[in-house]
This record gives sequence, C-alpha cells and structure tokens, in this order.
Amino acid sequence: QLQLQESGPGLVKPSETLSLTCTVSGGSINSYTYYWGWIRQPPGKGLEWIGSIYYSGSTYYNPSLKSRVTISVDTSKNQFSLKLSSVTAADTAVYYCARYGSTLYSWFDPWGQGTLVTVSS
Amino acid sequence: SSELTQDPAVSVALGQTVRITCQGDSLRSYYASWYRQKPGQAPVLVIYGKNNRPSGIPDRFSGSSSGNTASLTITGAQAEDEADYYCNSRDTSGNHGWVFGGGTKLTVL
Repeated sequence: QLQLQESGPGLVKPSETLSLTCTVSGGSINSYTYYWGWIRQPPGKGLEWIGSIYYSGSTYYNPSLKSRVTISVDTSKNQFSLKLSSVTAADTAVYYCARYGSTLYSWFDPWGQGTLVTVSS
Repeated sequence: SSELTQDPAVSVALGQTVRITCQGDSLRSYYASWYRQKPGQAPVLVIYGKNNRPSGIPDRFSGSSSGNTASLTITGAQAEDEADYYCNSRDTSGNHGWVFGGGTKLTVL
C-alpha cells in the first residue's frame, strides 16, 4: 500500500525559505503513471494546490506562488521536495503531499498525514 | 485561473439524504473529485471520476455532475459523516494546475 510522509522543520522565520520533503514508500516515484503534488491548508481554511512534479523532473506551479516555489524530485531516494522562499505569516499552514494520475481525469490519492509549518520569528 | 464554489455549511438529520454541491467552469470539462476531512486529519478521497468510490468508502456516498455543477450525495447520513468536504478538479487555465473548492462543513443533527 502506497504511503507518503512529509518531513521538515515545523518553524520557519519570516523571509526565510521553507523546505519540506515527501518520502514515498510502498511504491516507486519513478513511474510514468503518476504525478506528485504539494497542497497546503492554512489553519481553519481550505485547501490550496501549490504545485506538482513528474518523475522526469517536469514541474507545474500555482501561478499565485510560482515566483517563490521550487519542487524537485530525487528518484534514488524515492522522495520529492518543496521549497518556498521569502515566507511570511500567510504561509503558515499544514502542508500535504499527495499523488495523482497522469490521465486527463485524475484525483489526489493517497495523501500524506500533513505537517504543520509555522512562520514566526 | 478556475474557481470552485461550495456552500460553507450544510446540515442533515441523522439518516436523511444530503447533497453537497460544487460549481465552476472547469467542471464543464473535468470530473470533480471529492474529499472528506475530519478535524486534525488529512483529506480522504471519497468520490472520483464519473461516480466511483475508493475501497472502504460506504456506498451511501455517490457523485453526479451536470453542466458546471458537481454534487456529492450522502444517502442515509451517519454521525461519522460529519466532516468538511472539498471538491477538486483540474484547472482549465492550461498550466497543468488544480483547483479546490472552499469546502463545506457538514453537520449531522
């Protein structure tokens, strides 16, 4: 059964870079069948897609975050990572990683358990 | 980019049927998927594609779509169905993006 697990610092200072890693177990990230995405949820608010990556390294970003986001993949470690630069308090959120299919009609499943990142000095 | 609109809150009496809706232009081109999120937990997929349920999701959950509106129906709502529900679809802006609805808080009375 495929599982995803987010990891990284729970506290980041304003103006610094948030860095998270999603480790995939129970399956290979090196698959042409799936994409891998990051989604976040500020406390008490809804879900927001941040961006996605294909095993080949092709990336797709939310236009509202594109200037600050970098997503990368390490197939040798079965991991993909998120970097969000110049963070502010508005970036405080639970960050999730999830998988979706490469077909036109797809969906996010499964999801990681999420990790709370707080931006504060 | 596309937007998906959901009612913020809906309530249903125990055992009754409730429909949660999601509206957006992207739904004219793509199916919505639906996720249930309980407090402190990650979202869980409950409906995908035309009307498909993942393993482990009760058959009281069903999905439908017409025009720019997708619906999630719970037939015979149970206390454990009380949660936030989010719809989701691909973005039609052409950047391989995704969009989520704002979520609907379902209360089972």
